[in-house]
Amino acid sequence: RKEVEQDPGPFNVPEGATVAFNCTYSNSASQSFFWYRQDCRKEPKLLMSVYSSGNEDGRFTAQLNRASQYISLLIRDSKLSDSATYLCVVNPREPLVFGKGTRLSVIA
Amino acid sequence: DTGVSQNPRHKITKRGQNVTFRCDPISEHNRLYWYRQTLGQGPEFLTYFQNEAQLEKSRLLSDRFSAERPKGSFSTLEIQRTEQGDSAMYLCASSPTLARDTEAFFGQGTRLTVV
Repeated sequence: RKEVEQDPGPFNVPEGATVAFNCTYSNSASQSFFWYRQDCRKEPKLLMSVYSSGNEDGRFTAQLNRASQYISLLIRDSKLSDSATYLCVVNPREPLVFGKGTRLSVIA
Repeated sequence: DTGVSQNPRHKITKRGQNVTFRCDPISEHNRLYWYRQTLGQGPEFLTYFQNEAQLEKSRLLSDRFSAERPKGSFSTLEIQRTEQGDSAMYLCASSPTLARDTEAFFGQGTRLTVV
């Protein structure tokens, strides 16, 4: 089983839609979790950390389910500018372990 | 620009040639990471440094690959006798401490094409 697994997508959604991505991880000792965003042919950039209690940043909500070993990212009111690849990142130890990413296309 | 800087941005080389990439991390970041990314995949870990010490190398890092960070500042990644399978984006990242506790900042990458 891979350390971090994501549905590669693509997810094609209309503007204004709500979309959710899940990511599962295999190492139950993992302590840190992140979502990174990567635009086409650009470097990954941190979108948000994922805390045990769940956290929200504007239209973005991240949640962690330790019992089932998955994290999720919810995007509300999708914008065209949200089109990107979203990378699930887990840190059971150094260094960061990245998922393959989920591609999102928001369509006008 | 005080971000992570990588050079060159693009490199085309013939199979069998050696190539070297450079990464200048954000100053005072003591952790430096090298990743490789191919199309449709997430970044795959290659190696990382704390200051000048190389702490871990991935199994992906064959003996044709070597990385250094001689003074704990910039780092170089060398690939000897390049193969077509080495074609990828090579990403460097730095962080001020353990990446699990803080954000890792990535450079724009070096895109290698082996022909």
